[in-house]
Amino acid sequence: GQNIDQPTEMTATEGAIVQINCTYQTSGFNGLFWYQQHAGEAPTFLSYNVLDGLEEKGRFSSFLSRSKGYSYLLLKELQMKDSASYLCAVQDSNYQLIWGAGTKLIIKP
Amino acid sequence: NAGVTQTPKFRVLKTGQSMTLLCAQDMNHEYMYWYRQDPGMGLRLIHYSVGEGTTAKGEVPDGYNVSRLKKQNFLLGLESAAPSQTSVYFCASSSAGGGSDEQFFGPGTRLTVL
Repeated sequence: GQNIDQPTEMTATEGAIVQINCTYQTSGFNGLFWYQQHAGEAPTFLSYNVLDGLEEKGRFSSFLSRSKGYSYLLLKELQMKDSASYLCAVQDSNYQLIWGAGTKLIIKP
Repeated sequence: NAGVTQTPKFRVLKTGQSMTLLCAQDMNHEYMYWYRQDPGMGLRLIHYSVGEGTTAKGEVPDGYNVSRLKKQNFLLGLESAAPSQTSVYFCASSSAGGGSDEQFFGPGTRLTVL
């Protein structure tokens, strides 16, 4: 079967750094996406990885290891507005997205 | 540009009633998708379309039907609603179906079936 695992909830302090992990087992791999979803709102795109390594985009970075079936999203200089759920999604062999249940990130002052 | 819009935003149905959810996008995207999002679960694909006049089943298609008569619109129908269909429904669109093309999501429809 296909499976995406993420921690259910994480707590971090404003100004700190947090790493959200995602492990996956899917039928094929054509890329991994991270989306942000604020409560009651739609998911919005953060990053895409298809090759191993780190992709940096401002305060957010995403890492991929295809051999380990592993990715992480790194958020630096946390701000209160970063409180949201972070969704990991893998594009399978049919180019359909398989979604994790999301990690709810709580930022404390 | 409005992006992806969905109507209605909220709806309460009784078991057995029918309804249609409307999704519209103004980005000239070929691909459109309907997902449902339930607590503790990832987004699950209901149906999708790779272009005007085409539809295909996703992971959880039972109890739903779709139509894509115009490129910009994608309709999701519930013929006989059941309490198990209580969920938040998201429509999304993308320019292509693979690679780095991100999906753009609508604001969601919160449906309760009593």
